[in-house]
Amino acid sequence: DSGVTQTPKHLITATGQRVTLRCSPRSGDLSVYWYQQSLDQGLQFLIQYYNGEERAKGNILERFSAQQFPDLHSELNLSSLELGDSALYFCASSKSSLSNIQYFGAGTRLSVL
Amino acid sequence: QQQVKQSPQSLIVQKGGISIINCAYENTAFDYFPWYQQFPGKGPALLIAIRPDVSEKKEGRFTISFNKSAKQFSLHIMDSQPGDSATYFCAAGGLGNEKLTFGTGTRLTIIP
Repeated sequence: DSGVTQTPKHLITATGQRVTLRCSPRSGDLSVYWYQQSLDQGLQFLIQYYNGEERAKGNILERFSAQQFPDLHSELNLSSLELGDSALYFCASSKSSLSNIQYFGAGTRLSVL
Repeated sequence: QQQVKQSPQSLIVQKGGISIINCAYENTAFDYFPWYQQFPGKGPALLIAIRPDVSEKKEGRFTISFNKSAKQFSLHIMDSQPGDSATYFCAAGGLGNEKLTFGTGTRLTIIP
């Protein structure tokens, strides 16, 4: 168990809908990262938050947004969902903004029908 | 310049054999090279990592070999076991650039 908690484990929704994925980092970790994993694209970095502030941005669509709350949990919001958004979404956490050592949660499997 | 290229895409090794997975990177600012192991239905788990000040790091049956001049690094799994069957990802990160750039993964199958 990595200590990173993601909910829900599975999400099934329809095109055009909006969903929220939640991540609780390991105790004491200040950085949260979001990744998308699809069959043909591997692990793609979406966005990083450090202690409530956006730190780095990757290939995140404008329809997607994230935030990190004062208690350090993070949420990834996906809106106007398309079939191609179906994927595994992982959250990872690390101790500081300078630590590369990331611990991953078990992921949320999103199915857009 | 941010890419990490991983090969092979899939690998079948006999039990007891050596599994070798290779990665190459382009950005010389990378200075942290981890390998992650992922089982079906689970998140990636950190297996072993290396920084470029050493050419090799060994932890049990797992060894990372690092060639700075060639910008390549590889994972060797000695005495491969069926329980090692998983997908392996290499990654690269840099000081001050905390995000990791992942390779595309290698699905390893160990057969009896």
